[in-house]
Amino acid sequence: AQRVTQPEKLLSVFKGAPVELKCNYSYSGSPELFWYVQYSRQRLQLLLRHISRESIKGFTADLNKGETSFHLKKPFAQEEDSAMYYCALVDTGRRALTFGSGTRLQVQP
Amino acid sequence: DAGVIQSPRHEVTEMGQEVTLRCKPISGHDYLFWYRQTMMRGLELLIYFNNNVPIDDSGMPEDRFSAKMPNASFSTLKIQPSEPRDSAVYFCASSLIGQGKAGELFFGEGSRLTVL
Repeated sequence: AQRVTQPEKLLSVFKGAPVELKCNYSYSGSPELFWYVQYSRQRLQLLLRHISRESIKGFTADLNKGETSFHLKKPFAQEEDSAMYYCALVDTGRRALTFGSGTRLQVQP
Repeated sequence: DAGVIQSPRHEVTEMGQEVTLRCKPISGHDYLFWYRQTMMRGLELLIYFNNNVPIDDSGMPEDRFSAKMPNASFSTLKIQPSEPRDSAVYFCASSLIGQGKAGELFFGEGSRLTVL
């Protein structure tokens, strides 16, 4: 069965510092991985997906199949990045997302 | 489009009572998902539908939980009887996976349930 692990419940950094939110997965097939974000008082929403290989709001994530990781990175954190971040994997057979437990990012001024 | 609409936003009830949560997906979406969020277990998939047909309900905790999707624009999640351990935020999400958008879910604002 697939599993997504986010080892940090809380990550606190200062504005301008680099950010790395860790995500590891276990899946027997070829995974499709995503990062979702939930800002305060807003809906959970898609931030980025690995197959797009895009940068959204300065965030990037690279799929490392050797390390089974999909860490989310940003070189310079902004206060508006403070939110809950969820890593997720889609089981193409089931079509449903399996989420990690989430990491709360706090960016301090 | 107003997005996925869930009701009620908040529900407080007593143990043993029936609870019904409602969801209106985005028009035209072919998949609907129900998730439950708790501090202990994070986001758990309960059940999902494709074109109104339940596909996988293996995440439904027990027989007290049931879900229906009578048409493309409405789904319900029912808990009967409710128990304090059912207290959580319940999210509904919809998606247009038929167009290669697997994993791109649109979430509602959630229904926060408290069972006393």
